[in-house]
Amino acid sequence: GAVVSQHPSRVICKSGTSVKIECRSLDFQATTMFWYRQFPKQSLMLMATSNEGSKATYEQGVEKDKFLINHASLTLSTLTVTSAHPEDSSFYICSARVSGGWNTGELFFGEGSRLTVL
Amino acid sequence: DAKTTQPTSMDCAEGRAANLPCNHSTISGNEYVYWYRQIHSQGPQYIIHGLKNNETNEMASLIITEDRKSSTLILPHATLRDTAVYYCIVSNAGGTSYGKLTFGQGTILTVHP
Repeated sequence: GAVVSQHPSRVICKSGTSVKIECRSLDFQATTMFWYRQFPKQSLMLMATSNEGSKATYEQGVEKDKFLINHASLTLSTLTVTSAHPEDSSFYICSARVSGGWNTGELFFGEGSRLTVL
Repeated sequence: DAKTTQPTSMDCAEGRAANLPCNHSTISGNEYVYWYRQIHSQGPQYIIHGLKNNETNEMASLIITEDRKSSTLILPHATLRDTAVYYCIVSNAGGTSYGKLTFGQGTILTVHP
């Protein structure tokens, strides 16, 4: 079946540095990808919708200058956490929707990336 | 999207059926019921979805009441590997917003030996 891969799976960085997380659709094209954040013992919260070739749409309360999203190709979206601080430590998860697909079977989640900011 | 209500946690004995309920009383006519699960420190995994008819696949069965205000996910023979958080989500199947899912707190299912 279709696979969505995230890299890195785990990253530890110092406060003030920027971290980039990649989300790749390995065997399908994804016009739209979604980025979620999950704090410990909490549910997934949608951060933004990433559309290939256009600006991302951010959910209310998510700082677009803090969480930079780039979706330059149909198989890759990146999330950059700029000037990371300990409160940005979280589990970041992406999902990808098959281009032109409207069925649930055509939405796939990545394995997640755990960010720890020291 | 309509809101869903699920029990916080449930237990199930290995080999028995696990029945996970979900209330979605404000569901609208064009909204589907989706079930995902999340095993610790992994991304969500799709299980099943339905509109109004009962559905079955290799993983589970989905029973939707006639008024569509509630549903039940059934894992027929639970195993220890089915221990996870199960999310019931209601959303439109199509349109440009498809895939933009609102996750609630879900049900923590613990399968014990």
